Amino acid sequence: EDQVTQSPEALRLQEGESSSLNCSYTVSGLRGLFWYRQDPGKGPEFLFTLYSAGEEKEKERLKATLTKKESFLHITAPKPEDSATYLCAVRSNDYKLSFGAGTTVTVRA
Amino acid sequence: NAGVTQTPKFRVLKTGQSMTLLCAQDMNHEYMYWYRQDPGMGLRLIHYSVGEGTTAKGEVPDGYNVSRLKKQNFLLGLESAAPSQTSVYFCASSYDGATYEQYFGPGTRLTVT
Repeated sequence: EDQVTQSPEALRLQEGESSSLNCSYTVSGLRGLFWYRQDPGKGPEFLFTLYSAGEEKEKERLKATLTKKESFLHITAPKPEDSATYLCAVRSNDYKLSFGAGTTVTVRA
Repeated sequence: NAGVTQTPKFRVLKTGQSMTLLCAQDMNHEYMYWYRQDPGMGLRLIHYSVGEGTTAKGEVPDGYNVSRLKKQNFLLGLESAAPSQTSVYFCASSYDGATYEQYFGPGTRLTVT
């Protein structure tokens, strides 16, 4: 059974204080690792897909990286508008997504 | 494009009542999904559909039924609501199941008393 574990559960940052979120996974044949952003009361919003170890994707202050066992979402010089819950999900051989519980990031001005 | 829309946004049911949640997408996606999201847990797949007229069970299908009569719509039904079905329900869609990302709707908050 695919498993996805995200850490930490919550992260409080000062504006400009860079940090990383972790997503560790076990999956029977990785067919994509996904990062989503979720704002309170809204649906998840797609950020990135990573397919193979060593791959990196960037969007504004966010950078996602992938190894064979985990993915990191780096937030560089965060701003208050980066406050959200970040969800990680993996897709395996049966093409379904398995989600982690998420990391809630709060950025204080 | 509206993307993925869900109705209603909020609903309160009494135990034993029934209801249907409607999901619509205007992106011509083949695949559609229903998830539930509970505090401290990841999104869990209830049912999904790989095309018009097809449905399949996900991780937590008990107590729910679905139908996909039209490509753009995916309905989730609760025949006899239970307090354990109190949750936030999200619909999602994707172009296919193998290579493309899923796009999510805004969610329906359901409370069963």
